[in-house]
Amino acid sequence: KAGVTQTPRYLIKTRGQQVTLSCSPISGHRSVSWYQQTPGQGLQFLFEYFSETQRNKGNFPGRFSGRQFSNSRSEMNVSTLELGDSALYLCASSLGIQNSPLHFGNGTRLTVT
Amino acid sequence: SQQGEEDPQALSIQEGENATMNCSYKTSINNLQWYRQNSGRGLVHLILIRSNEREKHSGRLRVTLDTSKKSSSLLITASRAADTASYFCATARYGNNRLAFGKGNQVVVIP
Repeated sequence: KAGVTQTPRYLIKTRGQQVTLSCSPISGHRSVSWYQQTPGQGLQFLFEYFSETQRNKGNFPGRFSGRQFSNSRSEMNVSTLELGDSALYLCASSLGIQNSPLHFGNGTRLTVT
Repeated sequence: SQQGEEDPQALSIQEGENATMNCSYKTSINNLQWYRQNSGRGLVHLILIRSNEREKHSGRLRVTLDTSKKSSSLLITASRAADTASYFCATARYGNNRLAFGKGNQVVVIP
């Protein structure tokens, strides 16, 4: 069974630009979650999608958005990039039911200059 | 909001020794999970313990949960060089799959 795939692996953008990150979950998983990881703040929850609907949302500004498609693939968008958005963005898929573990991709390393 | 918080110490141990990490949290939880992360890569799920369980084993891993103290511990027995990684605890509340992660513990196993 293929794991969670995130693309691209690395990304360098300039302040003010926007970026779209992609995530393909494990086959059969209907839940996709996104996390931001930085040295200072650690792992922070961005949002979760389940069957194309946003089910949970973290405390991030509206510049961070996402969506999920009918095949469960998900995209995350960050608009008007700031230097502080530089981070490792991790996508995780799961069955989306209670007590189901998350399966993470290897992340997208975003650098904003 | 709830948050798992590991003891911030970094561990450096010899191969074959045991490694123990602790985690505390602040609110009621549905389950507590432990993940491992190798440098710059994604997290790998290690073990999940439900709030009504006190101890769980998986291979060389042993996790305990004390809900009265809101704390958990992860024990890795007979460590190997391949166990070198950062270890995170994460908590989930009832009716919610959103995880709150701790800051992580770096473990270095010296061959």
